[in-house]
Formats: sequence, C-alpha cells, structure tokens
Amino acid sequence: KQEVTQIPAALSVPEGENLVLNCSFTDSAIYNLQWFRQDPGKGLTSLLLIQSSQREQTSGRLNASLDKSSGRSTLYIAASQPGDSATYLCAVRWMDSSYKLIFGSGTRLLVRP
Amino acid sequence: GAVVSQHPSRVICKSGTSVKIECRSLDFQATTMFWYRQFPKQSLMLMATSNEGSKATYEQGVEKDKFLINHASLTLSTLTVTSAHPEDSSFYICSARAVTSGGALNEQFFGPGTRLTVL
Repeated sequence: KQEVTQIPAALSVPEGENLVLNCSFTDSAIYNLQWFRQDPGKGLTSLLLIQSSQREQTSGRLNASLDKSSGRSTLYIAASQPGDSATYLCAVRWMDSSYKLIFGSGTRLLVRP
Repeated sequence: GAVVSQHPSRVICKSGTSVKIECRSLDFQATTMFWYRQFPKQSLMLMATSNEGSKATYEQGVEKDKFLINHASLTLSTLTVTSAHPEDSSFYICSARAVTSGGALNEQFFGPGTRLTVL
C-alpha cells in the first residue's frame, strides 16, 4: 500500500532557528513529491514540487530534498519566522496513480517570537 | 497563475438536507478534478477523482450515492453531499489538473476549501 508519513506531528521552535521537516513514503516509484503549507481553516499553498529525477528544489528560505531510494524527503526552513507557523503537508504522486496525490498527516509548526 | 475557486466557502445545513459544492478552474481547463475531505487536525483524504464527461472514480470506503460528483465541463466539477448528517461535517477541498497552458501542465491546483457544518 502506498503511504506517506510525516514526522514530527508537531514542532515548536524559537524564531530564527533552522529546522527540518521529514516525509517518508513507501514504494520508491514516485512521479513527483510536493510540499504544501496550510494555514488554519484555509486551503493549500504549494511550496515546492520535486520531480522524481530531481534531488532538490529551493525557493527563498525553503529547500526540499528528495531521496527516492530511501523513500524520504526533507523540507528545510532557514531562519524561521513567526509567519512560518502553519501546517506543512507532504504529498506524493506515484507513477501508476493517475495523477492522484496521497498526503501525509502533516507537521504543525509553531515559531515562537 | 492558475486559480481554482470553490463555492460556497462555508455552509451550515440541517441534517437530512443536501448540499452542493462547486469547484471551478478560473483560467485553465481541467479534464480531471479531485475531491478531498479533511477532518480537524487531520490530513487530506482523497474521496474521488472527477473526470469530465464520464463517471467519477471513488476511493475505497467512499459512498458514491452519498457523495454525488458531476463534472459537466472542463472548468466545473460539483460535489453534492446528499442527506447530510453531522458526521459529514468536514472541510472539503478540490483540486484541478491543468491540461492547458494557463497552469503548469498536469500540475494540480487547489481550491480554498469549503467548510461544511451539518446540524
């Protein structure tokens, strides 16, 4: 069964810290992996999309890496700010999935001022 | 950028009534749209894949007669929750797969979600 797991479930850090969020997935035959941000009661904001042929993607203070062989991705947030507080979701599209995305359970991040 | 809208953003209804939620791709065409449900502090669970001009494909455990999906055009899919019950209260989010250059081809774009509360 194709599953996505995220740890930790929740994280609280002081402002300015660099932090890493983890995502793991079963079955390495992925098409791509995507990181999203969700604010409370809101929809999803796409942060980074990594194709299966890529190792990492960067956008501003965010860097996402992909290691297909080990079934892992990490989202690195540099110099965290209170505005980064949100839930971060990892989603995987597999090769045979007909464009379906399977989501992890998310990591709720709180950046304390 | 590619924009997906949902209407309504919030709806409160009485138990036993039916509620229709619309999902529109505003500046691109989407032959495929997806419907997700999210319970509080949980992740998104895929309910069904909506295909323009054909029947929706439902995920295991999702009742097709309860959650009616209609994808009548390349820019509109609707989800109707029939005979709603309090346990159907949830956050419903749609996404649309871009098939025209208005959005990155084959990338999914998400709507802002609809909060359904069934009394």
